[in-house]
Amino acid sequence: GDSVTQMEGPVTLSEEAFLTINCTYTATGYPSLFWYVQYPGEGLQLLLKATKADDKGSNKGFEATYRKETTSFHLEKGSVQVSDSAVYFCALSDRRSWGKFQFGAGTQVVVTP
Amino acid sequence: EPEVTQTPSHQVTQMGQEVILRCVPISNHLYFYWYRQILGQKVEFLVSFYNNEISEKSEIFDDQFSVERPDGSNFTLKIRSTKLEDSAMYFCASSERTGGNEKLFFGSGTQLSVL
Repeated sequence: GDSVTQMEGPVTLSEEAFLTINCTYTATGYPSLFWYVQYPGEGLQLLLKATKADDKGSNKGFEATYRKETTSFHLEKGSVQVSDSAVYFCALSDRRSWGKFQFGAGTQVVVTP
Repeated sequence: EPEVTQTPSHQVTQMGQEVILRCVPISNHLYFYWYRQILGQKVEFLVSFYNNEISEKSEIFDDQFSVERPDGSNFTLKIRSTKLEDSAMYFCASSERTGGNEKLFFGSGTQLSVL
């Protein structure tokens, strides 16, 4: 079945550092890909998405490009802030599904001043 | 931004007891979902619900689980006879549409602890 694998955390880095969180997927169809973020005490929030190959999703300085050839959707941010400390989830959704997202295990990111 | 609200934030119950987790989806949304996350594991899909019917469910969603939209605003998940392995964070979500491209809005979760 469809699945998502993302790098384990925690990832600890200093403010203004470059962040990359790797995400790869396996899917039989043509999924849409998502990054969700969960801040402490809150629900998952959509950060960005891409619906087809070579699409780039971006939001709040974060970017991810849908790479079909490498089945990847890595999340990047050029200069992180303390407020980016959160858990980040990579996810995919098949167009044939009814909100049945496959999530990765989540990567905790800790940004220190 | 509109929010999905879940109550309670934390529920403790004894094994074998019934629990009902409650959710108030965003008011104009038509599609509703439950997910759960066992500590240290992935967020897992349980069920999707539309037009007062289950649209899709996972293998986890067995006969012990049921969902209901008892009125125009609430969406509930019932576990009839809880087991220790049901201990998890349960997330409710809703969306305006579906089709694989939908934006899901999640609640902040109910932490269920089965003793």
